[in-house]
Amino acid sequence: DTAVSQTPKYLVTQMGNDKSIKCEQNLGHDTMYWYKQDSKKFLKIMFSYNNKELIINETVPNRFSPKSPDKAHLNLHINSLELGDSAVYFCASSLTMLWGSTDTQYFGPGTRLTVL
Amino acid sequence: AQRVTQPEKLLSVFKGAPVELKCNYSYSGSPELFWYVQYSRQRLQLLLRHISRESIKGFTADLNKGETSFHLKKPFAQEEDSAMYYCALSYWNYGQNFVFGPGTRLSVLP
Repeated sequence: DTAVSQTPKYLVTQMGNDKSIKCEQNLGHDTMYWYKQDSKKFLKIMFSYNNKELIINETVPNRFSPKSPDKAHLNLHINSLELGDSAVYFCASSLTMLWGSTDTQYFGPGTRLTVL
Repeated sequence: AQRVTQPEKLLSVFKGAPVELKCNYSYSGSPELFWYVQYSRQRLQLLLRHISRESIKGFTADLNKGETSFHLKKPFAQEEDSAMYYCALSYWNYGQNFVFGPGTRLSVLP
C-alpha cells in the first residue's frame, strides 16, 4: 500500500495555464505539507495543513493555493503558471503528537512540473 | 530564526572509507532532528531521527547540543549510499514545523 501518493507524476504545461497536483495519504495523519524542490535540490516548505486548517503559509505567490477537502487530502492548485514554477513538488504527511512533540514526515514520490 | 546548515554541497569518498556529513542547526528551544535521504529520482525517506538513537544502514548521528550539531556518520561507505542527504529540524510553533538544510550530495566512488 502506498502511504503518500501524488498525481500526476509528471506535468508539462505552457506558461499561463492553471494546473492542480493531488496528494493523498492513507496513514491516518492529520498534518500534511507541500514542499518545492528546485533544480539545485533545495527543499523548501510551502504549506502545512493540520486537520484541514492552514498553519504555515510561507512566502509563496498567491497563485499557489492549497485545498484540503479532508484530512487525507491536500491538493495544490497553481494559477497562471510561470517558468520559475518548474520544480519537483513533494507532498508529505505526519502525525501531530502531543503539544511540543513532533513526528516523522512521510513523503510522496514527487510531481515533476515543467513549464514551457 | 530556525535554520539548518549543511556546509558541503558535494562529498565524494571511496568505497570502504568513513563518511561524515555535517549538519548544524540554530534553534533556541529543544530541537528534534532528522536525517532524510533521497536516492536518485526517488522520494525522500527518513534515515534516522535523533530521539530513536538507532543505526540505519550503518549510519548513526549524535545530537550535540553544545555544538548545535547533528552530524551523520558511517564507518565504511558503500556505493549504494550515493544519494542526497538532508538534515531537518522539527519544532513546534502553533503546529509542527520543519526546516530542511540545503542537502549534501554523497558520491561513493568504487
